[in-house]
Parts: sequence; structure tokens; C-alpha cells
Amino acid sequence: DAKTTQPTSMDCAEGRAANLPCNHSTISGNEYVYWYRQIHSQGPQYIIHGLKNNETNEMASLIITEDRKSSTLILPHATLRDTAVYYCIVRPAYETSGSRLTFGEGTQLTVNP
Amino acid sequence: NAGVTQTPKFQVLKTGQSMTLQCAQDMNHEYMSWYRQDPGMGLRLIHYSVGAGITDQGEVPNGYNVSRSTTEDFPLRLLSAAPSQTSVYFCASSSGQGGGNEQFFGPGTRLTVL
Repeated sequence: DAKTTQPTSMDCAEGRAANLPCNHSTISGNEYVYWYRQIHSQGPQYIIHGLKNNETNEMASLIITEDRKSSTLILPHATLRDTAVYYCIVRPAYETSGSRLTFGEGTQLTVNP
Repeated sequence: NAGVTQTPKFQVLKTGQSMTLQCAQDMNHEYMSWYRQDPGMGLRLIHYSVGAGITDQGEVPNGYNVSRSTTEDFPLRLLSAAPSQTSVYFCASSSGQGGGNEQFFGPGTRLTVL
């Protein structure tokens, strides 16, 4: 799986947009970009994923650069409950080793009142 | 749907004891996995299964056994607990392999081995 690089921590003011970057410069053409988050002591929660195009759902937007070497997760109106560790993960479209996710250290996002 | 459920939520063992962590899902997912998360670290894959009767090792399988007799259940057995197995254990399931398939996680089991 391609390696990802994320900042260790970020802060955001409540109500503002949180933009979390991820570098995946070695991504290959058949690999998806996934974002999960983990709120303290809970199981990881799926946020969004994409292959080439930008994606949006009720939780967030995912912006993938044209060369696919980096992406940004956008939480449009961050709330205190969005404080969590956010993981950017790259996964191949086709695997023979089950649905394994390789979690790095992620970004600790702290939303401040 | 209850999603992915795990029991127990908390467990304390003495060194050398054995126990089984239970995991069940009601989404008819073929793929299930067990991860462990040590303090301040990301998740590491222990074992996974691509369907009933089929299991394989992840990156940290030593000291753990799994079986998959039904689609719904994927128990994790600790054969002889060691303090190094103190961790939070997460079970996950998905409908397919690879990219394009979302994984759903359970709430976790917090295990302490004394």
C-alpha cells in the first residue's frame, strides 16, 4: 500500500472549515484514498473515500489533486464533536488479503470553542 | 441493524489465562478483521477472514487464534495471555475486499493483562 504523510496535529475554531491535508505521492492508479476518524476510545469511523474525482457526503468533502499525489479532507463547519484523530489511508482497488486497512499515526484535530 | 458488536467491553486477565473476544455482525458481510491498538498508536491487523471457513494472518498474529464457522461471527482467542497483549481490540467487517468497500468497526474491547 502507498505510504501517507499527515501533520501530527491541527487546530480549528468551532464553526469554521477544517482542512486536513494528506500526502500520498507514491499512490498508484488503482488505489483509493480513504479517510477515517477515531474519537477518543471509540472504534474508527468511516468518513469518505475517492479514487480520482472529488467527493462529498453528509459528513465531509474530499478534494484529490489532479496528479493524485495529495488530498484534503474538508469538514465544512467543524463542531467540538469533530475533535478526533483523522486517518488518511490508501488502499488498492483489488486485494487478495482481505479488507485490511493500514493505519498510520493520523492527524489529531482539535476544535476549539 | 446493530452493525458490528463486540463483547466484552472490558476484561482483566492474569498472565497465562486464556479467553475469547467475541465479534458479530448482522450486515451479511463476507470480510471480517481483528485489529489491536496500543496507546498512542494506529491500528495493527491481527487476523482476517474472507468468508466462512477461511482465515489468514495479519501483521501481528502471534498469540492469537481465530476461526470463522459462520458469516456472522469471528471470535478471537488469546491462548495464553501476556502483558504485551494489553491493548484495545477492534473488530471490523466489510462487504468486499479492497478499495471501494467501506469497513465498519465495532466499539472495541479493552483488555488488560496483569
